[in-house]
Amino acid sequence: SAVISQKPSRDICQRGTSLTIQCQVDSQVTMMFWYRQQPGQSLTLIATANQGSEATYESGFVIDKFPISRPNLTFSTLTVSNMSPEDSSIYLCSVDSGRAKFQETQYFGPGTRLLVL
Amino acid sequence: RKEVEQDPGPFNVPEGATVAFNCTYSNSASQSFFWYRQDCRKEPKLLMSVYSSGNEDGRFTAQLNRASQYISLLIRDSKLSDSATYLCVVNMGYQKVTFGIGTKLQVIP
Repeated sequence: SAVISQKPSRDICQRGTSLTIQCQVDSQVTMMFWYRQQPGQSLTLIATANQGSEATYESGFVIDKFPISRPNLTFSTLTVSNMSPEDSSIYLCSVDSGRAKFQETQYFGPGTRLLVL
Repeated sequence: RKEVEQDPGPFNVPEGATVAFNCTYSNSASQSFFWYRQDCRKEPKLLMSVYSSGNEDGRFTAQLNRASQYISLLIRDSKLSDSATYLCVVNMGYQKVTFGIGTKLQVIP
C-alpha cells in the first residue's frame, strides 16, 4: 500500500482564518480524495482530486470554501477557508488502491485534526 | 435509507469471546465490499476485502450475502487489541466508496 503523509497533523485556528493541509504520497497515483470526519461520525467525502483537472466536489461542499490543488501525481492540498467552529473536524486524504476495476478501495493518510475557536 | 448502515454499538465483549457485526447496503449494484479498522484518533486502515462469498484471515471472517444485501465480520477469540471501530465500506463503482458509521468494539479483560 502507498505511504501517505499529511501536514499539519493538528492545528488550532481562529475563526475567519484559513488553513491549508498538505498530502504527500510516496508513489504516483491518479486519484486523491479528501474526507472529513466529524466527532462521532463516519467519513464524508469532500472532493476528488485528479491531476491536471479541477476537483470534483460532493453535494454540500463548494470550491470557495474548500479549494483544492493537485499540481502533480504525488501531492495535493486542501484549504479550509474562512473557518468557523463547525469546521472543527479531522480531515483525511486518501488515494486509490490501484486494484482492478470495481475492486478499488482507498488508503488513508494519518489525518489532520483541526480545532476552530 | 442510508446507503450503508451499521449498528454503532458499542459492543462490549470479554476476551476470548466471538463477536459478529453486520452491515447492510442499499444499492444492489454495489461491486465490492471492505472492512476497515479505525483506532481512536487514527486513520482507517483496510482490514479485509470481501469480493465474492466471503473470506477468512486468521481470527477474522467476512461474509457477503448479496440476496439480502449485507456483509458481516466475525471475530473469534477476541483480544484486547481488537478494541477499535470497524467500518463497513461499499464500492458502488466509479471509484467511489461509501463508509458506514462504524461499529465500536470494546474487548474487556
